[in-house]
Parts: sequence; C-alpha cells; structure tokens
Amino acid sequence: EPEVTQTPSHQVTQMGQEVILRCVPISNHLYFYWYRQILGQKVEFLVSFYNNEISEKSEIFDDQFSVERPDGSNFTLKIRSTKLEDSAMYFCASSEGQGYSNQPQHFGDGTRLSIL
Amino acid sequence: AQSVTQLGSHVSVSEGALVLLRCNYSSSVPPYLFWYVQYPNQGLQLLLKYTTGATLVKGINGFEAEFKKSETSFHLTKPSAHMSDAAEYFCAVSDRGTGTASKLTFGTGTRLQVTL
Repeated sequence: EPEVTQTPSHQVTQMGQEVILRCVPISNHLYFYWYRQILGQKVEFLVSFYNNEISEKSEIFDDQFSVERPDGSNFTLKIRSTKLEDSAMYFCASSEGQGYSNQPQHFGDGTRLSIL
Repeated sequence: AQSVTQLGSHVSVSEGALVLLRCNYSSSVPPYLFWYVQYPNQGLQLLLKYTTGATLVKGINGFEAEFKKSETSFHLTKPSAHMSDAAEYFCAVSDRGTGTASKLTFGTGTRLQVTL
C-alpha cells in the first residue's frame, strides 16, 4: 500500500538555526498538510497546500514557517529560526481529494524535531 | 470553530473485554468524523471514517463507531480487546465541502491499555 514518507525521523538542531523537514506524499494525491504534536499534547494543524499554494494556515504557522513543493514529489516544511517551543513531532499528510470528496488524509510516521 | 472532546485520557481494559472510547464534537453542521490510531513511535493510521450514509461504520482491526447526531457523538468500540490494541486513539473532525483542503481538528487522544 502506498504511504507517506518523512525524513529525517529525528532532527536535532540548535536554537536559531534553520531546519527543513521533508515529506514525500502519496503519488496521486493532490492535497498536502503539516501537523505537529508537542509531547503530551494533541495533534495540531499547521498548514494545508494545494495547487502550489497555501490553502489554509493556523495561528501557529507564522512568518518563521514556510512550505514548498520544489518538485513533483517532495513537500517541505521550513522553519527559519527555530525556537525551543518548536520542539515537537511533525507529521506530513496527504489526501487524494478534499474532505467532501470522501478521501481521508494519510499520515507519515513523523519527524521528531528537538531544539537545543 | 470545530472542537473535539475525548473523555478519558487513559482507558484500561482486560483482554477480551469491551473497548469503548468516547468522542463528542461541537459543530452546527455535522462534520466528517474520523478515528486514528497511533502506535508507539509511529504515525497516525486511519481506523475508520464517517462521511455519509449508514451511521454505524466498521473499520480495521475489528473496530467500529456509530455517529449519533442527536448526541453529537462518534464513540469507538470493539467487542473484545486484544493486547495488540494498546495504543493512543485520536478522534478527529473536518468540515464538509469548504472548497479548500479540509484540515483535521483532533481531540486530545485516549491511551488504551490492555491488561491480561
């Protein structure tokens, strides 16, 4: 079964450094998402992406965050200047269609980001 | 804004006993409803979803859930728990047909423990 893959599985970065999290969505999917889960808390929506532009973003997704689909397969999340509170598990997801078209979101195994 | 409430952050059942994990949503229009499972160090795996039609939906691993509009609930059940069911379970909702990529709003999760 096709799956969403995320790299790396664990990223350790110094505070203030830039970090890029990478995702390869399922190949025929058109909608892409990033979520994060701070340790012990619930999964929170960050951003959704369709047709090479952001569809929706949460309050968490401020100017320090950006997303890109640099080629036909990768979908990246960049954090420009990391803060301690950015430490979390970051999940990428993709879906074939929007919610009303009955297609669920499929998640990767996540990247654990640790900011020192 | 959508919200999801999962009663009980931890539930413990004996192997072979009924599993009942509770989920209530708040929305003026019934959303799409999902249950995801997260095993240790893994991503979120879709268990089942409700979009339209029959209100009792069956998912993988013997789980099922019933949408009750009058109670704004979507509780997850399994008649007989197995040790392998020990995991964290998340209820999630998304809006219907907003015309954009529909984000998921998650509950806080319920950790299921299965004992011998």
